[in-house]
Amino acid sequence: AQKVTQAQTEISVVEKEDVTLDCVYETRDTTYYLFWYKQPPSGELVFLIRRNSFDEQNEISGRYSWNFQKSTSSFNFTITASQVVDSAVYFCALSEGVSWGKLQFGAGTQVVVTP
Amino acid sequence: DTAVSQTPKYLVTQMGNDKSIKCEQNLGHDTMYWYKQDSKKFLKIMFSYNNKELIINETVPNRFSPKSPDKAHLNLHINSLELGDSAVYFCASSPTTPSEQASGEQYFGPGTRLTVT
Repeated sequence: AQKVTQAQTEISVVEKEDVTLDCVYETRDTTYYLFWYKQPPSGELVFLIRRNSFDEQNEISGRYSWNFQKSTSSFNFTITASQVVDSAVYFCALSEGVSWGKLQFGAGTQVVVTP
Repeated sequence: DTAVSQTPKYLVTQMGNDKSIKCEQNLGHDTMYWYKQDSKKFLKIMFSYNNKELIINETVPNRFSPKSPDKAHLNLHINSLELGDSAVYFCASSPTTPSEQASGEQYFGPGTRLTVT
């Protein structure tokens, strides 16, 4: 069963709009980690953030921000004032407590930012 | 100074052939992984090694055989290639240790696009 759900297949925005990517996860472990990765058209996978299950503080890094809510099992990602360079596929992933870092990825959300 | 490198970047071959993909990391990490990304961009783990020891072996046909000659290298050999093996294969490394198995972020190589004709 899919443990990470990214319900949005594709989101299209115009430059400078904000875009929020949803991620819902499922686990019975009390210790787990959540990640976001970016895959631009060039194909590489770029690590964006890691969040552990004991830290529900939201995080902001430049135009990126993340909202982690254990009550709803969600780890959403917002890009503020989007730019064309943000066009990419964004993946949410889960690593459970005793899994040797095995990443379970969501299906990804394609973000298209047009000028 | 590429952190995780893979060779080749592109691989085009015919059904039935045997091929290998090489991966090297210079990050000093103990754990390495192989992931497969299919045509719909879905990423799924295949194998993982920690200090040359196989620790994750997902449900993968036994035509796929990973080999780790040392902790900086993890190669993937594929026998009798099939059309369905066409995908992008990513190598990754992580500072994951036995005491903190879930925590290490993974650094990915550039991927190897395998096309089987």
